[in-house]
Amino acid sequence: EDQVTQSPEALRLQEGESSSLNCSYTVSGLRGLFWYRQDPGKGPEFLFTLYSAGEEKEKERLKATLTKKESFLHITAPKPEDSATYLCAVRSGGSNYKLTFGKGTLLTVNP
Amino acid sequence: DTAVSQTPKYLVTQMGNDKSIKCEQNLGHDTMYWYKQDSKKFLKIMFSYNNKELIINETVPNRFSPKSPDKAHLNLHINSLELGDSAVYFCASSQPSDFAYEQYFGPGTRLTVT
Repeated sequence: EDQVTQSPEALRLQEGESSSLNCSYTVSGLRGLFWYRQDPGKGPEFLFTLYSAGEEKEKERLKATLTKKESFLHITAPKPEDSATYLCAVRSGGSNYKLTFGKGTLLTVNP
Repeated sequence: DTAVSQTPKYLVTQMGNDKSIKCEQNLGHDTMYWYKQDSKKFLKIMFSYNNKELIINETVPNRFSPKSPDKAHLNLHINSLELGDSAVYFCASSQPSDFAYEQYFGPGTRLTVT
């Protein structure tokens, strides 16, 4: 069974203080690792898809990287508007179209 | 233009009642999903339909019955509601291909069973 573990559960940063969120996964044949952002009271918003180890993708202050066992979401010089819950999900070769989500990291960026 | 929409946004009802949640997507996607997010924010797949055909049915009580009248709509009917059904239910859609499986989510329906 696919498993996704995210750490830390919560992270509090000062504005401008860069950091990383971790997503460790166990799947049989990774067919994609996904990062989502979720604001309170809203649905998850798609950020990135990574398919193979070594792949990196960037969007504004966010950069996602992938190894064979984990993914990192690096946040450079965060702003208060980056505060949200960040969710990681995986799709394995045997799971049809199903995504398995981690429990998320709640990021708070203080001004 | 809302890509994935759900109605209602909030639903408060009593134990034992039957209720429905509706979902519509205008992205032209073939696949739609229902997820449940519990109080600890854990998001778990319940059902998935591809072109009106049920392809994922996780271990969900049979009080929950999805219905897809066409590929742009996926509704969720819940019979005999229980306290433990209280959660936020999200609809999502995707257009799976060899290179893309990202799913796009609706705003959610917060169900409270009293």
